[in-house]
Amino acid sequence: KQEVTQIPAALSVPEGENLVLNCSFTDSAIYNLQWFRQDPGKGLTSLLLIQSSQREQTSGRLNASLDKSSGRSTLYIAASQPGDSATYLCAGADSWGKLQFGAGTQVVVTP
Amino acid sequence: KAGVTQTPRYLIKTRGQQVTLSCSPISGHRSVSWYQQTPGQGLQFLFEYFSETQRNKGNFPGRFSGRQFSNSRSEMNVSTLELGDSALYLCASSLASPLYNEQFFGPGTRLTVL
Repeated sequence: KQEVTQIPAALSVPEGENLVLNCSFTDSAIYNLQWFRQDPGKGLTSLLLIQSSQREQTSGRLNASLDKSSGRSTLYIAASQPGDSATYLCAGADSWGKLQFGAGTQVVVTP
Repeated sequence: KAGVTQTPRYLIKTRGQQVTLSCSPISGHRSVSWYQQTPGQGLQFLFEYFSETQRNKGNFPGRFSGRQFSNSRSEMNVSTLELGDSALYLCASSLASPLYNEQFFGPGTRLTVL
């Protein structure tokens, strides 16, 4: 059974600093990995989807990498802003397309 | 393009009652998945529907059921509600399969069971 872990559970950084969020998974037979953000009491907003054949994806200030052999994905957010404050979740899809989520990293960007 | 919509946004029920939640996917999307989110268990997969057929199912009791209509809209039903069913229920849609396509989530339905 796929287990997805996100460490740390919480992170606080000053505005302008780069954010590095980690996600590790136990089963390398992962079909894709998706990063989401969730604001308090809200649904999930998709940030990036990385297919298993890809090594990274980029969108604006966001860059996500995927290393299946080591069971790790990293989300980089450049030049963080207070609006980046949210909980960030990663989720891996198994062969049925079922997403297994990590518990999330709660990020606070202080002005 | 309108996003995923879920109705109602909030529900309060008592133990033993049943509830039906609705999800309208993004236009053109045929796959709808349902998830339960609680502080203790995080996000857990309930089931996925594609072309009116349940394609995948998580580890939830039979009290949790769903269906999908020909227009891809989906409903989720929970019978004989328990206190532990209190959660945020999220649905997500994708073009054809979560294996290859990005999943887009709705705002969720907050269910409180008293």
